[in-house]
Amino acid sequence: GAVVSQHPSWVICKSGTSVKIECRSLDFQATTMFWYRQFPKQSLMLMATSNEGSKATYEQGVEKDKFLINHASLTLSTLTVTSAHPEDSSFYICSARTGTHRIQETQYFGPGTRLLVL
Amino acid sequence: SQQGEEDPQALSIQEGENATMNCSYKTSINNLQWYRQNSGRGLVHLILIRSNEREKHSGRLRVTLDTSKKSSSLLITASRAADTASYFCAATGGGNKLTFGTGTQLKVEL
Repeated sequence: GAVVSQHPSWVICKSGTSVKIECRSLDFQATTMFWYRQFPKQSLMLMATSNEGSKATYEQGVEKDKFLINHASLTLSTLTVTSAHPEDSSFYICSARTGTHRIQETQYFGPGTRLLVL
Repeated sequence: SQQGEEDPQALSIQEGENATMNCSYKTSINNLQWYRQNSGRGLVHLILIRSNEREKHSGRLRVTLDTSKKSSSLLITASRAADTASYFCAATGGGNKLTFGTGTQLKVEL
């Protein structure tokens, strides 16, 4: 149980285009989803926290107009990288957490999406 | 930055040996978790230790937590080549957000 999927796993796009990444919790309802980015050989940096039905909370230094997050249902959150530039190339990972108190502490991670902007 | 530090950054051992990784964090925590990441993949949750616990075991994994020193360690016993991966600690603080450490790249050689 507690499987999180991401789509696509790989995306290459031209500079200036927008890219949407989906994060789905497959067998549980995720009241909260998180979006991280990871540069090669570095750790994960939290970008934003998204709660179902409300606006995402962005970390300091993350442009909310550039990284649009939508958490429209309890099983789906999307991250849209708008007007992508080469410096946006990175590994984007989502995670999901249930609202069930007993296991609320554990975040379940998706397999990640590698974005390459040419 | 609230990011934790891990050491060593890289560790290379022979199969069958034990591997120990250390993690330090900066703020008060609710719990601390360890994750594993194979190259280019997502994270796999290994173990969670709460702030009121000092030691926890799961199979070949042993985690300790010292809140007075704001540090934790992960011990993998009898390592296998398949344990080769990056290992991250992540501290859960205010707002239930995870703050990840810098990671340890473990290589287990045959």
